Amino acid sequence: EAAVTQSPRNKVTVTGGNVTLSCRQTNSHNYMYWYRQDTGHGLRLIHYSYGAGNLQIGDVPDGYKATRTTQEDFFLLLELASPSQTSLYFCASSADSSNERLFFGHGTKLSVL
Amino acid sequence: TQTVSQSDAHVTVFEGDSVELRCNYSYGGSIYLSWYIQHHGRGLQFLLKYYSGNPVVQGVNGFEAEFSKSDSSFHLRKASVHWSDSAVYFCAASISNNAPRFGAGTKLTVKP
Repeated sequence: EAAVTQSPRNKVTVTGGNVTLSCRQTNSHNYMYWYRQDTGHGLRLIHYSYGAGNLQIGDVPDGYKATRTTQEDFFLLLELASPSQTSLYFCASSADSSNERLFFGHGTKLSVL
Repeated sequence: TQTVSQSDAHVTVFEGDSVELRCNYSYGGSIYLSWYIQHHGRGLQFLLKYYSGNPVVQGVNGFEAEFSKSDSSFHLRKASVHWSDSAVYFCAASISNNAPRFGAGTKLTVKP
């Protein structure tokens, strides 16, 4: 089973704080994604990447940066966190294309006070 | 961009009942459709997917889904649910080289 590891599992920060969420997959997958999950909205796509150095803009990118440093690692950066970014964040990966099944991490719960 | 609609936020059934969870999508071209399950406090897990061929696809744990181009739907069904099927179910749609988009999810509660 493909493995996607997110860290930290929980994070609390204050408004204006700087936060980095990490995601690592060890399955040699090309595609990686960041979603946020909020009640009533399901999962919304923030950013995604199809390889090291590549970044694609998702549907709710405002306030987020992302960087794919290697094939394995995909980071989500919140440079000036706001309470509206309080959410459950999921990282996922897929093999050869975005049409393959996704493998999800366990999520990071972020609270911005 | 493709969009996904799950009209039922909550569905409650009794153990042994059949269930259908609805999913509709909007996109005119070739589309990949899938269903995922999320147990409380966990990440999403893949159930099944469809791209072409037989419109009825089988998944894990007795789940199946049927694609209908005329209705723009991809409903998930199970003939006899178990209490362990209680979870949130997400429908997803993707088009070539574009990331999957998810619906808002349907919370299924199975009562004993």
